[in-house]
Amino acid sequence: EVQLVESGGGVVRPGGSLRLSCAASGFTFDDYGMSWVRQAPGKGLEWVSGINWNGGSTGYADSVKGRFTISRDNAKNSLYLQMNSLRAEDTALYHCARVPQYSSSSHWFDPWGQGTLVTVSS
Amino acid sequence: SYELTQPPSVSVSPGQTARITCSGDALPKQYAYWYQQKPGQAPVLVIYKDSERPSGIPERFSGSSSGTTVTLTISGVQAEDEADYYCQSADSSGTYGEGVFGGGTKLTVL
Repeated sequence: EVQLVESGGGVVRPGGSLRLSCAASGFTFDDYGMSWVRQAPGKGLEWVSGINWNGGSTGYADSVKGRFTISRDNAKNSLYLQMNSLRAEDTALYHCARVPQYSSSSHWFDPWGQGTLVTVSS
Repeated sequence: SYELTQPPSVSVSPGQTARITCSGDALPKQYAYWYQQKPGQAPVLVIYKDSERPSGIPERFSGSSSGTTVTLTISGVQAEDEADYYCQSADSSGTYGEGVFGGGTKLTVL
């Protein structure tokens, strides 16, 4: 069974940092790209960042560019999101998701982890 | 990036057909994907590449595309289909992996 389990969320003050992790199992991790997608409380889905199978290509939403860094460790079947200079508007449930197939015009997210909650508050 | 527009809510009675639309200028050139999200749960892919259904998704879920609008159709709606539904497409702006989501549609089964 394919499983994605996020961890590392918590409460942090504005300007602070957090590192999220996503542990993958049930599939060959380095065969797939991965992404982070967040959902603010009561709001919709927002793509945050993506990374290809070997970490050679990454992308970021404009809202997090320059503050967040995505990475992966294929030996550990793990995906990470380093979040710096956090703002109140970064408060959300952060999901990791597998990218089953990627091209510049066609990619999607399946499956998703349950998410880890990040709260940025003073 | 561009925008995808969905109606905030759709209501149907059990056994009827629900149609949820998603509009965006890039949709004639990009595939669309649909996710179902129930309260407290992670999103689940129900349609990919406009009209393909993943294994394990009931046949009552189908997708179609026409011009700048894609549609998720749920035939014979059941109470368990009550959820939020999101459309998604890729963004070919050059940012690796960028996905664009619609604002979501809350499906209420009366």
